Amino acid sequence: GAVVSQHPSWVICKSGTSVKIECRSLDFQATTMFWYRQFPKQSLMLMATSNEGSKATYEQGVEKDKFLINHASLTLSTLTVTSAHPEDSSFYICSAGAGADTQYFGPGTRLTVL
Amino acid sequence: SQKIEQNSEALNIQEGKTATLTCNYTNYSPAYLQWYRQDPGRGPVFLLLIRENEKEKRKERLKVTFDTTLKQSLFHITASQPADSATYLCLVYNFNKFYFGSGTKLNVKP
Repeated sequence: GAVVSQHPSWVICKSGTSVKIECRSLDFQATTMFWYRQFPKQSLMLMATSNEGSKATYEQGVEKDKFLINHASLTLSTLTVTSAHPEDSSFYICSAGAGADTQYFGPGTRLTVL
Repeated sequence: SQKIEQNSEALNIQEGKTATLTCNYTNYSPAYLQWYRQDPGRGPVFLLLIRENEKEKRKERLKVTFDTTLKQSLFHITASQPADSATYLCLVYNFNKFYFGSGTKLNVKP
């Protein structure tokens, strides 16, 4: 089946620094990638939809200047959390679309901001 | 928007029994509904998709039903095994929007 990887799998950073998370579709091309955030024992919340070669579409309440998304190729999308604060600590998950109704999820990245 | 409701209490069952999980939505009938499995610290893994015009879908020991009158989907795992223990999420899709439920944790005891 389709494989999506994320790097790093976990990261700890100091408050005020920026962190970049990569999402790669390893064996298929994904014109659309999605970024989610999940807090403990809560649902996945869609943050943004990223289409290759165009600007990401952010969900209501998600700061686009804080969560920078780049989708430069059909196999790579990046999420940069800028000026991270402790409240940004969460589990970030990406998924890659392989059709109108199919998403393959990455393994997630645990971000801890001290 | 949609509100997706899944039982937040864990479901504890004995190995070999059938587990039944519920997903209710509040507003528009979705174009499709999906079920995912999520293990701790991992991303969701797709299990089954059922469309608006389908009543039931099966895949090996898994069965999904979709009742648009009740605004509900049921997810069944027959002959459950301890390896089935995980959190199961439902996803509802309509009008180009995805909505995930918060998931129900299933514990299958040997």
